[in-house]
Amino acid sequence: DVKVTQSSRYLVKRTGEKVFLECVQDMDHENMFWYRQDPGLGLRLIYFSYDVKMKEKGDIPEGYSVSREKKERFSLILESASTNQTSMYLCASREHSTGRLSFGSGTRLTVV
Amino acid sequence: GQQLNQSPQSMFIQEGEDVSMNCTSSSIFNTWLWYKQEPGEGPVLLIALYKAGELTSNGRLTAQFGITRKDSFLNISASIPSDVGIYFCAGPNTGNQFYFGTGTSLTVIP
Repeated sequence: DVKVTQSSRYLVKRTGEKVFLECVQDMDHENMFWYRQDPGLGLRLIYFSYDVKMKEKGDIPEGYSVSREKKERFSLILESASTNQTSMYLCASREHSTGRLSFGSGTRLTVV
Repeated sequence: GQQLNQSPQSMFIQEGEDVSMNCTSSSIFNTWLWYKQEPGEGPVLLIALYKAGELTSNGRLTAQFGITRKDSFLNISASIPSDVGIYFCAGPNTGNQFYFGTGTSLTVIP
């Protein structure tokens, strides 16, 4: 089974801080994704990456950036955290041959 | 991005009852994925479907890929308390991204 690991389950950060959310997958997948999940809004795509050093904006990239220096690691960066970025953040990776999308356990970020 | 239409939005059922939910799309999909998400956790893949008409089971769960390729169904038989959670469907678009259903919240009353 694919294992997608997010480094933190819960984070509390102050407004204006730079925040790093880390995600690692162990199956050599090329495609990786960052979503945020909010009540009533479902899953919204922030950024995705289809290979090392490649990135594409999703539906809500504003206020975020990403880094993919190695195939197994996809990092989400909040340049200057704001309270409206309080959310559940989910990382996922996609298996090319089956199309299956596997998620990490999520990071619950609170910005105060 | 587009969301898939999923119904019902929520269900409250007695333990032992069967559950049915479905997803519909305006677009044709080649793959349907069904997930369960428990509170505070990430979604876990339950079933993946790849062909129109395909019927696939995973224990008490059965999912079907609709003939029109625009819908999919998930059934849970003989529900138990640990079935509680939010179930949602997903389908990949041509751009390697995914559309997601709005979710069905399931509550099982012992």
